[in-house]
Amino acid sequence: EAQVTQNPRYLITVTGKKLTVTCSQNMNHEYMSWYRQDPGLGLRQIYYSMNVEVTDKGDVPEGYKVSRKEKRNFPLILESPSPNQTSLYFCASSSIARADTQYFGPGTRLTVL
Amino acid sequence: DQQVKQNSPSLSVQEGRISILNCDYTNSMFDYFLWYKKYPAEGPTFLISISSIKDKNEDGRFTVFLNKSAKHLSLHIVPSQPGDSAVYFCAATYGGSQGNLIFGKGTKLSVKP
Repeated sequence: EAQVTQNPRYLITVTGKKLTVTCSQNMNHEYMSWYRQDPGLGLRQIYYSMNVEVTDKGDVPEGYKVSRKEKRNFPLILESPSPNQTSLYFCASSSIARADTQYFGPGTRLTVL
Repeated sequence: DQQVKQNSPSLSVQEGRISILNCDYTNSMFDYFLWYKKYPAEGPTFLISISSIKDKNEDGRFTVFLNKSAKHLSLHIVPSQPGDSAVYFCAATYGGSQGNLIFGKGTKLSVKP
């Protein structure tokens, strides 16, 4: 089954404790991205990757890092989480030819205390 | 400044009737528009899209209309079914945006039996 998976689905952590949210897709997609969804703000792009070893900032990259060492994986790293990073995070992927039509993972709900 | 606006947070429709969800945008560079549907505890699912060179695109019960002069698009669902109850996000992008989808805040559709 074609899918985008994220882990963990739920995470409660404390300020300053480094964490990684993993994202994996099995569709051989070149393009992957991370979004966060906040009440009253819709979804906003954090980072994206056009292919392996190619990443770039989206609209709200501050406080986040990403890496793309393999085509299927695109982890989101919070080196020092803060309460304003409490949010619902979605990973998405698509073929490079259709980067506008992205397929989303189920989401990771992160709470930073 | 919100570039994609969905001014109705919620909409309630009777089963079998038409559902019309509206979306306005401000950025004239947008040339591709999408609708995503989101159920609770799941990621957004691509529903239908339209290029700016068209004014209508139809897929089964779903039709999207684009009025470029008014910078307005709408999603029509006919006939509405209880399973259509979800949050609907309008999104827009443009060539060169590197797949950055700009989302509206969403409209929660409730279809009552």
